[in-house]
Amino acid sequence: NAGVTQTPKFRILKIGQSMTLQCAQDMNHNYMYWYRQDPGMGLKLIYYSVGAGITDKGEVPNGYNVSRSTTEDFPLRLELAAPSQTSVYFCASSYRGQGQPQHFGDGTRLSIL
Amino acid sequence: EDQVTQSPEALRLQEGESSSLNCSYTVSGLRGLFWYRQDPGKGPEFLFTLYSAGEEKEKERLKATLTKKESFLHITAPKPEDSATYLCAVQVRAYGQNFVFGPGTRLSVLP
Repeated sequence: NAGVTQTPKFRILKIGQSMTLQCAQDMNHNYMYWYRQDPGMGLKLIYYSVGAGITDKGEVPNGYNVSRSTTEDFPLRLELAAPSQTSVYFCASSYRGQGQPQHFGDGTRLSIL
Repeated sequence: EDQVTQSPEALRLQEGESSSLNCSYTVSGLRGLFWYRQDPGKGPEFLFTLYSAGEEKEKERLKATLTKKESFLHITAPKPEDSATYLCAVQVRAYGQNFVFGPGTRLSVLP
């Protein structure tokens, strides 16, 4: 009963490095999302996907990229890491449709030094 | 602009001391209001969905209610294990950038 699995749980990057945050779900959900959570702020949407091969920008997409080649996986790529990208990143998934709640992974805590 | 606010920012209760958390929203369209619980170092965990004004949902010591402008999460006789951050989110459209989250209320229940 895995749900949404995120790896790694923690990571420290140097400015200018790149990395990929992994997200996988086993609930056959159509929709997947990437959020960042900063202290005192609500979750901010980075990118989302409504199905394999379909992705679109959210509220704060600059500095990130995504792909969705399968229903299960939705990796988030950080290119040229900057200190402003220090945050906790959450992946979520949901069924399509009104009133369907999102199911979240346990997050990746990322520090850019 | 769609907006969700929550109050108070933090709340400290004694065990057994009932209280309420508030979620106020100003959105273009409401397709659902969601409450989540978030423990330290974990992702948000879904609690309730409310769809229309007047609706109520209950789970153990928690009861969520909804009006046209706000939702309340009532906590009756809380226990220390109820300590967590409670997030409110509003679904404003069927797909796309469809959820707007509030900043959360950090609840501490002291024994």
